[in-house]
Amino acid sequence: AQTVTQSQPEMSVQEAETVTLSCTYDTSESDYYLFWYKQPPSRQMILVIRQEAYKQQNATENRFSVNFQKAAKSFSLKISDSQLGDAAMYFCAYLLGNQFYFGTGTSLTVIP
Amino acid sequence: EAQVTQNPRYLITVTGKKLTVTCSQNMNHEYMSWYRQDPGLGLRQIYYSMNVEVTDKGDVPEGYKVSRKEKRNFPLILESPSPNQTSLYFCASSPHRGSYEQYFGPGTRLTVT
Repeated sequence: AQTVTQSQPEMSVQEAETVTLSCTYDTSESDYYLFWYKQPPSRQMILVIRQEAYKQQNATENRFSVNFQKAAKSFSLKISDSQLGDAAMYFCAYLLGNQFYFGTGTSLTVIP
Repeated sequence: EAQVTQNPRYLITVTGKKLTVTCSQNMNHEYMSWYRQDPGLGLRQIYYSMNVEVTDKGDVPEGYKVSRKEKRNFPLILESPSPNQTSLYFCASSPHRGSYEQYFGPGTRLTVT
């Protein structure tokens, strides 16, 4: 079975500081995609960043970047210069073939 | 406006009473999917569809049915709902295969008593 593990149920960060959310996954496949989704209190799911497993270069989207370690099956999300609007639940997700697998989420609090 | 719509947004029903949650997208996307979200469990995929008349089971398909007769619509059917299907349900679509951004609907909060 494919699994995605987010070991930090809750995290907090001071506004303007940097925080890293961890994610590990279990697979024996080599071709897959990884994602981070954000779910604010509105419940809307929003894509934050995407990484193709065949790409060695880590994906970056403005203040969001990932540290993709394929051999270690690790896919952490770094949020720089944290803002109040970053407060949300963050889900790591893994796409293998046509099927998605999500982690259990990390609730991020941003402290003013 | 490009969007995924779900109806109803909230539903309270009783055990055994058949219900359908509709999902529609206006982006001509090929890939559509249903998820349920439960506290402590994250999102779990119920069913997905690669295109019209092509559907497949996700991780938790038991107790659910889907159909894809038109490209834009992907309804979720609960033939005989049970209390363990009380959950928050999301529909999502993406251009193809799910490798690109999934656009999520606003969610449907279902309570089965």
